[in-house]
Amino acid sequence: SAVISQKPSRDICQRGTSLTIQCQVDSQVTMMFWYRQQPGQSLTLIATANQGSEATYESGFVIDKFPISRPNLTFSTLTVSNMSPEDSSIYLCSAQGQGGTEAFFGQGTRLTVV
Amino acid sequence: EDKVVQSPLSLVVHEGDTVTLNCSYEVTNFRSLLWYKQEKKAPTFLFMLTSSGIEKKSGRLSSILDKKELSSILNITATQTGDSAIYLCAVVQGAQKLVFGQGTRLTINP
Repeated sequence: SAVISQKPSRDICQRGTSLTIQCQVDSQVTMMFWYRQQPGQSLTLIATANQGSEATYESGFVIDKFPISRPNLTFSTLTVSNMSPEDSSIYLCSAQGQGGTEAFFGQGTRLTVV
Repeated sequence: EDKVVQSPLSLVVHEGDTVTLNCSYEVTNFRSLLWYKQEKKAPTFLFMLTSSGIEKKSGRLSSILDKKELSSILNITATQTGDSAIYLCAVVQGAQKLVFGQGTRLTINP
């Protein structure tokens, strides 16, 4: 199993600003993913963070709003740009090995935009 | 459209009861089905199921996959207040993308 350190664990931000969330994995992993969990809802995939290439975004999510970096096989960042109160959510990163194995999650970032 | 549906969405029982949580799916390129427990923010892994009919057990929790019915169940016996959480079901697709269900919010009353 992989251990994922995610930070910050929470933040309160002003609308119009940006926040970058970091995830560090304790081993090299092929796939890293970023999810959003809005209040009372399940997890929605934002994008797949690919090492050495651009992230792959799901329908409804765009790079300008959620730029992602994946500089190596153990680290990724997600930026929530030009925030509005609708961006208030829990953001989670996860990592998976190959072969359809289980995904492990970071501790999550609870973001509140005021 | 790929979808994972869990039922019930919410369940309240007394300590000591046995509960069964359901997950059904319609997804392309099914690889495996995962169960997670979410208490605060981060989901914690419970089970991964790939083969139909083989029960996985961990203490009072068990789970089984039925590929013919495109479904899975998660059983918890002799429930305790510490079992109160949201239980999430997710299906791993061919590209290793996870599709999550809505979750079942389980509350165990003493």
